[in-house]
Amino acid sequence: ILNVEQSPQSLHVQEGDSTNFTCSFPSSNFYALHWYRWETAKSPEALFVMTLNGDEKKKGRISATLNTKEGYSYLYIKGSQPEDSATYLCAFSLGGANNLFFGTGTRLTVIP
Amino acid sequence: NAGVTQTPKFRILKIGQSMTLQCTQDMNHNYMYWYRQDPGMGLKLIYYSVGAGITDKGEVPNGYNVSRSTTEDFPLRLELAAPSQTSVYFCATVGNKRGTSGANVLTFGAGSRLTVL
Repeated sequence: ILNVEQSPQSLHVQEGDSTNFTCSFPSSNFYALHWYRWETAKSPEALFVMTLNGDEKKKGRISATLNTKEGYSYLYIKGSQPEDSATYLCAFSLGGANNLFFGTGTRLTVIP
Repeated sequence: NAGVTQTPKFRILKIGQSMTLQCTQDMNHNYMYWYRQDPGMGLKLIYYSVGAGITDKGEVPNGYNVSRSTTEDFPLRLELAAPSQTSVYFCATVGNKRGTSGANVLTFGAGSRLTVL
């Protein structure tokens, strides 16, 4: 069992603000880092999967970076909108069928 | 193409009752998973399967059983429900997603909220 930590646990931002949060994971035996977006009453949906140190992924106003050597990933949201309100989960993968470990998530609330 | 379908969405059980959470997928994915989500905790893996006829325990398998007789279906059974099994349960499958360097990504069902009283 591996420790995947996300911070902060929750945050509130005003509409239009940019924000970011962190996922920390063990730096050894790295295979992939996943980000999922989980809206209330829906199922988690994949945002990004990153595998290479220095990887940067972008989807609209959301982007993510990866540092496998120091064991962290940042998720950025530019110009937050109310529809960005969700819990953002990261998961660290060692590779293989059962080696995906989830953090507890960062709950984002965007205030109109 | 329905993806991953879970039933029921909600269920209330009495202590000691049994029930089966159904999960079916139409994406022909080999890997299937059952997770539970408790408040303040990350998703915890209960059981997983790498293909029909093959299942294995995850991190928190006690009190649960699974079977995988077909590629499509992966039911989760609770034999003697306990209050500690009150949770939201997610079924998920894994398939390759283009552009991700071969890394797999989970596709989740809508979840089943179970309360044991």
